[in-house]
Amino acid sequence: GAVVSQHPSWVICKSGTSVKIECRSLDFQATTMFWYRQFPKQSLMLMATSNEGSKATYEQGVEKDKFLINHASLTLSTLTVTSAHPEDSSFYICSAPLRYLSYGYTFGSGTRLTVV
Amino acid sequence: GQQLNQSPQSMFIQEGEDVSMNCTSSSIFNTWLWYKQDPGEGPVLLIALYKAGELTSNGRLTAQFGITRKDSFLNISASIPSDVGIYFCAGRGRGAGNMLTFGGGTRLMVKP
Repeated sequence: GAVVSQHPSWVICKSGTSVKIECRSLDFQATTMFWYRQFPKQSLMLMATSNEGSKATYEQGVEKDKFLINHASLTLSTLTVTSAHPEDSSFYICSAPLRYLSYGYTFGSGTRLTVV
Repeated sequence: GQQLNQSPQSMFIQEGEDVSMNCTSSSIFNTWLWYKQDPGEGPVLLIALYKAGELTSNGRLTAQFGITRKDSFLNISASIPSDVGIYFCAGRGRGAGNMLTFGGGTRLMVKP
């Protein structure tokens, strides 16, 4: 089936540094990628929607300059957390709708970010 | 924006028991999806529903798309320890493009 490969699965970084998270669609073309953030024991909260070849759409309250999204190809979308702070520590998950929605949406395995 | 109310928030049951959880919305959804998330992993699709009234099974799991399009339930029969995890409903509404709205999740714990 269609798979989204997300890397890294976990990362620890120092405050002030930047971290890049990659999501690759392995056997399908992802023209759209959704980026979610999930805090412990909470649901997934949509941060932004990236579309191949165009600017990402950010949800209200999400800083676009802090969470840089790039979707330069049909198989790769990246989220860069810039100047990370401890409050950015969270579980980040990407998801792509499959070409035919009857096939649903596929999720990456998530990235656990810890900022120290 | 659209919101989904999922209940119960958590359940602690004995192995072999049946489980039922549901989601309701104040607005209509065209698609209902049920996911399971294990700790440290991304959600995995369990069942997808696309038509009002649709009843779909996947092994011991059964889900239904409510007639009003504002609710859905998921049943798990004869629970086993590996059913432990967090179950999320998700809906896609009219005019929402491909965007999903997630329920708050149901944390299921199964006692062997």
